[in-house]
Amino acid sequence: TQLLEQSPQFLSIQEGENLTVYCNSSSVFSSLQWYRQEPGEGPVLLVTVVTGGEVKKLKRLTFQFGDARKDSSLHITAAQPGDTGLYLCAGGVDSWGKFQFGAGTQVVVTP
Amino acid sequence: SAVISQKPSRDICQRGTSLTIQCQVDSQVTMMFWYRQQPGQSLTLIATANQGSEATYESGFVIDKFPISRPNLTFSTLTVSNMSPEDSSIYLCSVEFTSGKNIQYFGAGTRLSVL
Repeated sequence: TQLLEQSPQFLSIQEGENLTVYCNSSSVFSSLQWYRQEPGEGPVLLVTVVTGGEVKKLKRLTFQFGDARKDSSLHITAAQPGDTGLYLCAGGVDSWGKFQFGAGTQVVVTP
Repeated sequence: SAVISQKPSRDICQRGTSLTIQCQVDSQVTMMFWYRQQPGQSLTLIATANQGSEATYESGFVIDKFPISRPNLTFSTLTVSNMSPEDSSIYLCSVEFTSGKNIQYFGAGTRLSVL
Protein backbone atom coordinates (compact mmCIF):
# COMPACT_ATOMS: atom_id res chain seq x y z
CA THR A 1 0.00 0.00 0.00
CA GLN A 2 1.32 3.42 -0.95
CA LEU A 3 0.77 5.66 2.05
CA LEU A 4 0.08 9.36 1.78
CA GLU A 5 0.76 11.40 4.88
CA GLN A 6 -0.88 14.77 5.24
CA SER A 7 0.18 17.48 7.63
CA PRO A 8 -0.99 19.17 9.66
CA GLN A 9 -4.10 17.27 10.67
CA PHE A 10 -5.84 20.44 11.78
CA LEU A 11 -5.26 24.10 11.04
CA SER A 12 -7.12 27.06 12.50
CA ILE A 13 -6.25 30.52 11.22
CA GLN A 14 -7.65 34.03 11.00
CA GLU A 15 -9.06 35.47 7.82
CA GLY A 16 -6.31 37.03 5.73
CA GLU A 17 -3.54 34.71 6.88
CA ASN A 18 -1.72 32.26 4.63
CA LEU A 19 -1.56 28.51 5.10
CA THR A 20 0.18 25.51 3.59
CA VAL A 21 -0.90 21.87 3.67
CA TYR A 22 1.56 19.09 2.86
CA CYS A 23 1.11 15.66 1.36
CA ASN A 24 4.08 13.28 1.46
CA SER A 25 4.84 9.72 0.47
CA SER A 26 7.81 7.42 0.03
CA SER A 27 6.24 6.16 -3.18
CA VAL A 28 5.95 7.68 -6.62
CA PHE A 29 2.46 8.49 -7.87
CA SER A 30 1.34 8.80 -11.47
CA SER A 31 -0.70 11.85 -10.49
CA LEU A 32 -1.88 13.70 -7.45
CA GLN A 33 -5.25 15.25 -6.79
CA TRP A 34 -6.39 17.75 -4.20
CA TYR A 35 -10.02 17.79 -3.03
CA ARG A 36 -11.99 19.93 -0.62
CA GLN A 37 -14.89 18.43 1.29
CA GLU A 38 -17.47 20.45 3.18
CA PRO A 39 -19.79 18.97 5.81
CA GLY A 40 -22.60 16.96 4.26
CA GLU A 41 -21.01 16.92 0.82
CA GLY A 42 -18.75 14.68 -1.19
CA PRO A 43 -15.17 15.73 -2.02
CA VAL A 44 -14.89 18.31 -4.79
CA LEU A 45 -11.87 18.13 -7.07
CA LEU A 46 -9.67 21.23 -6.92
CA VAL A 47 -6.72 20.24 -9.12
CA THR A 48 -4.83 17.36 -10.69
CA VAL A 49 -1.05 17.52 -11.10
CA VAL A 50 0.79 14.94 -13.16
CA THR A 51 4.26 16.28 -13.97
CA GLY A 52 7.13 16.41 -11.48
CA GLY A 53 7.80 20.02 -10.48
CA GLU A 54 4.44 21.17 -11.80
CA VAL A 55 2.87 24.25 -10.23
CA LYS A 56 -0.79 25.14 -10.72
CA LYS A 57 -2.63 28.19 -9.51
CA LEU A 58 -6.33 28.45 -8.89
CA LYS A 59 -7.10 32.00 -7.75
CA ARG A 60 -5.63 32.16 -4.22
CA LEU A 61 -4.66 28.48 -4.19
CA THR A 62 -1.25 27.29 -5.38
CA PHE A 63 -0.54 23.59 -5.84
CA GLN A 64 2.89 22.08 -6.32
CA PHE A 65 3.92 18.54 -7.24
CA GLY A 66 7.39 17.51 -6.12
CA ASP A 67 10.09 16.86 -8.69
CA ALA A 68 10.14 13.16 -7.78
CA ARG A 69 6.31 12.94 -7.78
CA LYS A 70 6.30 11.77 -4.17
CA ASP A 71 4.99 14.87 -2.47
CA SER A 72 2.75 17.87 -2.98
CA SER A 73 1.72 21.05 -1.24
CA LEU A 74 -1.31 23.30 -1.24
CA HIS A 75 -0.80 26.94 -0.33
CA ILE A 76 -3.68 29.33 0.28
CA THR A 77 -3.00 33.05 0.24
CA ALA A 78 -5.16 35.44 2.25
CA ALA A 79 -7.50 32.73 3.48
CA GLN A 80 -11.21 33.44 3.69
CA PRO A 81 -13.95 31.77 5.77
CA GLY A 82 -15.17 30.12 2.56
CA ASP A 83 -11.90 28.18 2.45
CA THR A 84 -12.96 26.23 5.54
CA GLY A 85 -13.19 22.52 4.85
CA LEU A 86 -11.44 19.16 4.85
CA TYR A 87 -8.60 19.14 2.31
CA LEU A 88 -7.70 15.73 0.96
CA CYS A 89 -4.82 14.72 -1.26
CA ALA A 90 -5.11 11.57 -3.35
CA GLY A 91 -2.36 9.81 -5.25
CA GLY A 92 -3.06 8.01 -8.48
CA VAL A 93 -2.13 4.34 -8.15
CA ASP A 94 -2.88 3.38 -11.71
CA SER A 95 -4.22 4.95 -14.87
CA TRP A 96 -7.78 3.86 -14.15
CA GLY A 97 -8.44 6.28 -11.34
CA LYS A 98 -7.67 4.07 -8.38
CA PHE A 99 -6.53 6.49 -5.71
CA GLN A 100 -4.84 6.36 -2.34
CA PHE A 101 -6.20 9.12 -0.11
CA GLY A 102 -4.37 10.98 2.61
CA ALA A 103 -5.95 11.33 6.06
CA GLY A 104 -7.02 14.90 5.35
CA THR A 105 -6.35 18.32 6.84
CA GLN A 106 -9.23 20.12 8.51
CA VAL A 107 -8.88 23.85 7.85
CA VAL A 108 -10.92 26.40 9.80
CA VAL A 109 -10.74 30.06 8.80
CA THR A 110 -12.38 32.41 11.26
CA PRO A 111 -13.49 35.96 10.38
CA SER B 1 -18.03 17.24 -15.07
CA ALA B 2 -20.96 15.05 -14.06
CA VAL B 3 -24.05 15.11 -11.93
CA ILE B 4 -23.92 12.19 -9.53
CA SER B 5 -26.99 11.41 -7.47
CA GLN B 6 -26.88 9.13 -4.47
CA LYS B 7 -29.89 7.72 -2.69
CA PRO B 8 -30.67 7.70 0.13
CA SER B 9 -28.77 10.72 1.42
CA ARG B 10 -29.00 9.35 4.95
CA ASP B 11 -30.58 6.48 6.82
CA ILE B 12 -30.81 5.00 10.29
CA CYS B 13 -30.95 1.22 10.28
CA GLN B 14 -31.30 -1.59 12.76
CA ARG B 15 -28.55 -4.09 13.43
CA GLY B 16 -28.79 -7.17 11.19
CA THR B 17 -30.65 -5.49 8.35
CA SER B 18 -29.32 -4.52 4.90
CA LEU B 19 -29.34 -1.24 3.01
CA THR B 20 -28.91 -0.71 -0.72
CA ILE B 21 -27.40 2.58 -1.84
CA GLN B 22 -27.96 3.80 -5.39
CA CYS B 23 -25.62 5.88 -7.52
CA GLN B 24 -26.95 7.44 -10.71
CA VAL B 25 -24.82 9.45 -13.17
CA ASP B 26 -26.23 11.78 -15.80
CA SER B 27 -23.89 10.43 -18.51
CA GLN B 28 -22.14 7.19 -19.35
CA VAL B 29 -18.96 6.56 -17.40
CA THR B 30 -16.24 3.99 -17.72
CA MET B 31 -15.33 3.54 -14.09
CA MET B 32 -17.37 3.74 -10.92
CA PHE B 33 -15.97 3.38 -7.43
CA TRP B 34 -17.42 2.95 -3.94
CA TYR B 35 -15.70 4.44 -0.90
CA ARG B 36 -16.30 4.47 2.83
CA GLN B 37 -15.50 7.48 5.01
CA GLN B 38 -15.75 6.88 8.72
CA PRO B 39 -16.37 9.85 11.01
CA GLY B 40 -13.43 12.22 11.05
CA GLN B 41 -11.41 10.03 8.75
CA SER B 42 -10.35 9.90 5.13
CA LEU B 43 -11.75 7.83 2.27
CA THR B 44 -11.14 4.13 1.92
CA LEU B 45 -11.84 2.42 -1.39
CA ILE B 46 -14.25 -0.49 -1.02
CA ALA B 47 -14.41 -1.68 -4.62
CA THR B 48 -14.38 -0.80 -8.29
CA ALA B 49 -17.74 -1.42 -9.95
CA ASN B 50 -17.18 -2.94 -13.38
CA GLN B 51 -19.94 -2.86 -15.98
CA GLY B 52 -20.78 -6.35 -17.14
CA SER B 53 -18.58 -8.18 -14.67
CA GLU B 54 -18.08 -8.67 -10.95
CA ALA B 55 -16.79 -5.81 -8.86
CA THR B 56 -13.15 -5.76 -7.82
CA TYR B 57 -12.84 -5.54 -4.03
CA GLU B 58 -10.02 -4.05 -2.00
CA SER B 59 -8.33 -5.82 0.85
CA GLY B 60 -10.62 -6.04 3.86
CA PHE B 61 -13.85 -5.87 1.87
CA VAL B 62 -15.77 -8.90 0.61
CA ILE B 63 -18.64 -9.42 -1.78
CA ASP B 64 -20.86 -11.14 0.79
CA LYS B 65 -20.78 -8.06 3.00
CA PHE B 66 -20.81 -5.40 0.25
CA PRO B 67 -22.46 -6.79 -2.88
CA ILE B 68 -22.27 -4.39 -5.81
CA SER B 69 -24.23 -4.22 -9.03
CA ARG B 70 -23.35 -2.31 -12.20
CA PRO B 71 -26.09 -3.09 -14.71
CA ASN B 72 -25.18 -0.30 -17.14
CA LEU B 73 -22.82 2.61 -17.69
CA THR B 74 -24.83 5.13 -15.65
CA PHE B 75 -25.92 3.22 -12.55
CA SER B 76 -24.52 1.20 -9.67
CA THR B 77 -25.68 -0.03 -6.29
CA LEU B 78 -23.82 -0.93 -3.12
CA THR B 79 -25.53 -3.04 -0.48
CA VAL B 80 -24.33 -3.04 3.12
CA SER B 81 -25.43 -6.44 4.41
CA ASN B 82 -26.13 -7.72 7.92
CA MET B 83 -25.26 -4.33 9.36
CA SER B 84 -23.61 -3.70 12.69
CA PRO B 85 -22.84 -0.39 14.43
CA GLU B 86 -19.30 -0.60 13.01
CA ASP B 87 -20.80 -0.05 9.54
CA SER B 88 -21.94 3.43 10.54
CA SER B 89 -20.18 5.63 8.04
CA ILE B 90 -20.51 7.80 4.97
CA TYR B 91 -20.60 5.80 1.76
CA LEU B 92 -19.56 7.63 -1.41
CA CYS B 93 -19.66 6.72 -5.06
CA SER B 94 -17.32 8.30 -7.56
CA VAL B 95 -16.88 8.16 -11.31
CA GLU B 96 -14.11 8.60 -13.82
CA PHE B 97 -14.93 9.17 -17.47
CA THR B 98 -11.69 8.48 -19.25
CA SER B 99 -8.68 6.41 -18.32
CA GLY B 100 -5.50 8.34 -17.73
CA LYS B 101 -7.17 11.64 -16.92
CA ASN B 102 -7.26 10.97 -13.19
CA ILE B 103 -10.29 13.18 -12.80
CA GLN B 104 -12.74 11.65 -10.37
CA TYR B 105 -16.07 13.12 -9.35
CA PHE B 106 -17.93 12.24 -6.18
CA GLY B 107 -21.54 12.00 -5.15
CA ALA B 108 -22.70 13.76 -1.99
CA GLY B 109 -22.61 10.53 -0.03
CA THR B 110 -24.98 8.42 2.04
CA ARG B 111 -24.79 8.88 5.79
CA LEU B 112 -25.56 5.58 7.46
CA SER B 113 -26.15 5.09 11.17
CA VAL B 114 -26.65 1.57 12.51
CA LEU B 115 -28.28 1.17 15.91
